Amino acid sequence: DTAVSQTPKYLVTQMGNDKSIKCEQNLGHDTMYWYKQDSKKFLKIMFSYNNKELIINETVPNRFSPKSPDKAHLNLHINSLELGDSAVYFCASSQDRVSPLHFGNGTRLTVT
Amino acid sequence: KQEVTQIPAALSVPEGENLVLNCSFTDSAIYNLQWFRQDPGKGLTSLLLIQSSQREQTSGRLNASLDKSSGRSTLYIAASQPGDSATYLCAVRLRGSSNTGKLIFGQGTTLQVKP
Repeated sequence: DTAVSQTPKYLVTQMGNDKSIKCEQNLGHDTMYWYKQDSKKFLKIMFSYNNKELIINETVPNRFSPKSPDKAHLNLHINSLELGDSAVYFCASSQDRVSPLHFGNGTRLTVT
Repeated sequence: KQEVTQIPAALSVPEGENLVLNCSFTDSAIYNLQWFRQDPGKGLTSLLLIQSSQREQTSGRLNASLDKSSGRSTLYIAASQPGDSATYLCAVRLRGSSNTGKLIFGQGTTLQVKP
């Protein structure tokens, strides 16, 4: 299936731990994104990469570090997890910076 | 700063009714506007994308309009069905080289269509 897939679907961890979320798209898209959806369902962009180059970096704590080994993958690593990091994290991709976005199914992160 | 607002936050209608979801944005300097559907526990599914130069887009029972000058978009759903129950999100894509690609989302309208 052609899609944006992210793993894991659920992630429960304790404060202070380091965790990663992986994202892969097989749509041949050049641009990939990470969005965060908070408890009020509000979606906000965190990062965007175009052909492995970082093009958008919102005011996200340094504990969050995206990594794009190739244009089909954009992983999100989070250090020293805090309670406030609990949210659903969505990966997305688009053909270019102006084409429609295609979203993954999300990773629900719970920090205890 | 671009802000996107969706009204109402929630809507419940009987099956078969035609309905309109509203989206407003504060800065008309947008590249395009995209409507999404989100089912519980799922990702977002793109429904329609309207370029800033367009007035409307149609797909099946869905019709989205855009009035950039007034900062408004509407999503019209004809002959609603229980399967249409979901949260509908609108998002505007900003202009400018440093912003291109960034979508600003509204908080969504949660629709329930009762059989």
